[in-house]
Amino acid sequence: KAGVTQTPRYLIKTRGQQVTLSCSPISGHRSVSWYQQTPGQGLQFLFEYFSETQRNKGNFPGRFSGRQFSNSRSEMNVSTLELGDSALYLCASSLAAGSVYGYTFGSGTRLTVV
Amino acid sequence: AQRVTQPEKLLSVFKGAPVELKCNYSYSGSPELFWYVQYSRQRLQLLLRHISRESIKGFTADLNKGETSFHLKKPFAQEEDSAMYYCALSSGAGKSTFGDGTTLTVKP
Repeated sequence: KAGVTQTPRYLIKTRGQQVTLSCSPISGHRSVSWYQQTPGQGLQFLFEYFSETQRNKGNFPGRFSGRQFSNSRSEMNVSTLELGDSALYLCASSLAAGSVYGYTFGSGTRLTVV
Repeated sequence: AQRVTQPEKLLSVFKGAPVELKCNYSYSGSPELFWYVQYSRQRLQLLLRHISRESIKGFTADLNKGETSFHLKKPFAQEEDSAMYYCALSSGAGKSTFGDGTTLTVKP
């Protein structure tokens, strides 16, 4: 079956702009989590969605937001981009909420803010 | 607060030698622990979960609650084991905390 699909793979944006990233989880997986990966901070949790509801949110400013649709696809949005938002954004899907079964990761979206 | 520490950023062993990647955690409840692996130019993937008590690609990991550790072990390392390994802890509340990762290099 198809894996976790993230689009686009690469993005270059200018400071102040906003960006929307998309994630399609594995069929049947209803939980989608987002992580930011940077060389300095490693993998940092952004948020988790399950059945269209945000269950948990990491320590990121309100410029970072997300949503989940009825088909479990998820989007995350970053507004008013800053240079420090440059990172690899990873989407992870799981069969159930709470990540207790572990994640299946997408390939990520590489965001560069200039 | 939950915390995962992988004390070694880099680990290098020879093919056929035993390998142990260390992971220590801090969490007040009953954690779910995982090892993830990322091979060169591939996506991050789940290697094993402590609740499964399984052996994947010859790797095993035992949860030691007394020492709050979840070390990953393999008796005979292979060159194809060279990768980045991450230890992760899930509290069940929808958030996993990852360690900083250990880059394992297996030399021929």
